[in-house]
Amino acid sequence: GQQLNQSPQSMFIQEGEDVSMNCTSSSIFNTWLWYKQDPGEGPVLLIALYKAGELTSNGRLTAQFGITRKDSFLNISASIPSDVGIYFCAGPNTGGFKTIFGAGTRLFVKA
Amino acid sequence: DAGVTQSPTHLIKTRGQQVTLRCSPKSGHDTVSWYQQALGQGPQFIFQYYEEEERQRGNFPDRFSGHQFPNYSSELNVNALLLGDSALYLCASSFRRQSLHGYTFGSGTRLTVV
Repeated sequence: GQQLNQSPQSMFIQEGEDVSMNCTSSSIFNTWLWYKQDPGEGPVLLIALYKAGELTSNGRLTAQFGITRKDSFLNISASIPSDVGIYFCAGPNTGGFKTIFGAGTRLFVKA
Repeated sequence: DAGVTQSPTHLIKTRGQQVTLRCSPKSGHDTVSWYQQALGQGPQFIFQYYEEEERQRGNFPDRFSGHQFPNYSSELNVNALLLGDSALYLCASSFRRQSLHGYTFGSGTRLTVV
């Protein structure tokens, strides 16, 4: 079945640093979604991408839909302590009725 | 505008017991999807309910079952609990089954099986 592989698994950074994480798949996705999960909460949608090559921003977050449709990237600029959490890439399966999630990238920010 | 509401927030059960988890979707949403999130993992799709019927199912045994009510709320039932069922169970709501624009998730129910 379709799977999403996220890297790195975890990141430890200093406040103010930029962050980059990615997500790859062996199969094509037509939509890429990036979620963030805070401790004790459910995931919250950050960015949705619908077109190969698309670059979309949400504040300090920027995500890109890879040209091959098999990868996506998320960048966070000038990180702050509240960026701490787990970032998941996700994509609806063929048919669009079920969303598959990666295992997540855990971000730790040191003030 | 209330988001997705799940109850209870925490639950401790003994192996072999049965459990029921509840979810009320976001106002305006008619579809409920259930996910299991084990510690350190991403959410895994259990099943989806739309128009009071199970529409799609992930790789979970028949011990996992559900129900959707006319008001779109949903229940997840797990029978014959195993230690490995310990996880955060997330309810996600959407409109007309579509997840292309993302789900709205509840805060989850933390189930511990001892």
